[in-house]
Amino acid sequence: ETGVTQTPRHLVMGMTNKKSLKCEQHLGHNAMYWYKQSAKKPLELMFVYNFKEQTENNSVPSRFSPECPNSSHLFLHLHTLQPEDSALYLCASSQDPPSDTQYFGPGTRLTVL
Amino acid sequence: AQKVTQAQTEISVVEKEDVTLDCVYETRDTTYYLFWYKQPPSGELVFLIRRNSFDEQNEISGRYSWNFQKSTSSFNFTITASQVVDSAVYFCALIRQGGSEKLVFGKGTKLTVNP
Repeated sequence: ETGVTQTPRHLVMGMTNKKSLKCEQHLGHNAMYWYKQSAKKPLELMFVYNFKEQTENNSVPSRFSPECPNSSHLFLHLHTLQPEDSALYLCASSQDPPSDTQYFGPGTRLTVL
Repeated sequence: AQKVTQAQTEISVVEKEDVTLDCVYETRDTTYYLFWYKQPPSGELVFLIRRNSFDEQNEISGRYSWNFQKSTSSFNFTITASQVVDSAVYFCALIRQGGSEKLVFGKGTKLTVNP
């Protein structure tokens, strides 16, 4: 595998479910990011991890819980989501924030019923 | 505050036409970086170019070219001899050197290239 991978690519869940999104980067980068992309809205930064430490939490509701066990893996744990949380969730990584190029994964298309 | 404006929401062209995607930005910083990304229907954002604020040279990469003009705060992207595979949403983005790690994106321009 190369670049940034994300699983699953598609996810449908009910509001009472708990699920996790996984991101893995194979680029040797030190920083990882979660973004949310909703229809007709700009990309929204959710979380930033730099050397496994969370450095940014962009006022994200607590029903989204990130986890970064090492510099190559990033998770987004989901629970008690709302239908408005349906979106494309994109993971990215960069060598050294903040101005290094961010490389994105293919995203997880999430639908909350 | 930083801001990126892509005034063209959607553009439709016929194959082989040239097309320019506009990007205008606002920042008070003297050192910053500008980016273009391509998002095909598959969803992944594909990195195209990164340019720092001190490098105003235009860049050409195959059919792609970029025109950076600090005087007008613009970083426009031109595709020459467009192809159907160029159909995608294109995002312009800005980040300042140091401080916040937030990459500020424009709302994107959806380009459709018809055969």
